[in-house]
Amino acid sequence: EVQLVESGGGLVQPGGSLRLSCAASGFTFSSYAMTWVRQPPGKGLEWVSSIRGSGTSTFYADSVKGRFTISRDNSKNTLYLQMNSLSAEDTALYYCVKEDGDYWSAFDYWGQGTLVSVSS
Amino acid sequence: DIVMTQSPDSLAVSLGERATINCKSSQSVLYSSNNKNYLGWYQQKPGQPPKLLIYWASTRESGVPDRFSGSGSGTEFTLTISSLQAEDVALYYCHQYYSTPYSFGQGTKLEIK
Repeated sequence: EVQLVESGGGLVQPGGSLRLSCAASGFTFSSYAMTWVRQPPGKGLEWVSSIRGSGTSTFYADSVKGRFTISRDNSKNTLYLQMNSLSAEDTALYYCVKEDGDYWSAFDYWGQGTLVSVSS
Repeated sequence: DIVMTQSPDSLAVSLGERATINCKSSQSVLYSSNNKNYLGWYQQKPGQPPKLLIYWASTRESGVPDRFSGSGSGTEFTLTISSLQAEDVALYYCHQYYSTPYSFGQGTKLEIK
């Protein structure tokens, strides 16, 4: 059974940093691209960033480029999102998502999400 | 960037009736070399993460009831629920994975009339 468990969310002041983690199990982690999708409270879904199975290719939404860094440790079956220079617009539930392949694939499994709140 | 636009924003349908949700992409998401549309549909119930229903525009995910179907190609797509059940009340999103930045439609809220 595929499981994705996010952690690391919380309340942070504007300009601060957080590092999200996603522990994956139930599949061959290194064979699949992984993605972060966020959802502001009461709003729709926004793609944030994706990383290929090998970790060699990464992709970012313009809204986070230069501030967020996606990475993975295939030896630990863990996905990360380092978030710097946070602003109120980054407040959202952040989902860890498994793609159904190593590139250009649908999002077939989602974690429960970890909440990031940016406020002074 | 590909913009995804869903219609309607909300929809109320009687139990047992058909529900239809439309999705239009600003550019084609059909990849000519494999003739696949890089389009998925997701269902999100309150307090839950989204769940994949349909991928490649018309392939039903394992375990999804056959009352859910997807159709369309290129830039216009449809999600159809053939006979609405109470448990289908949810938000529905289309999603293109043809190119980054990946994008979602704004969502359609489906309710019981």
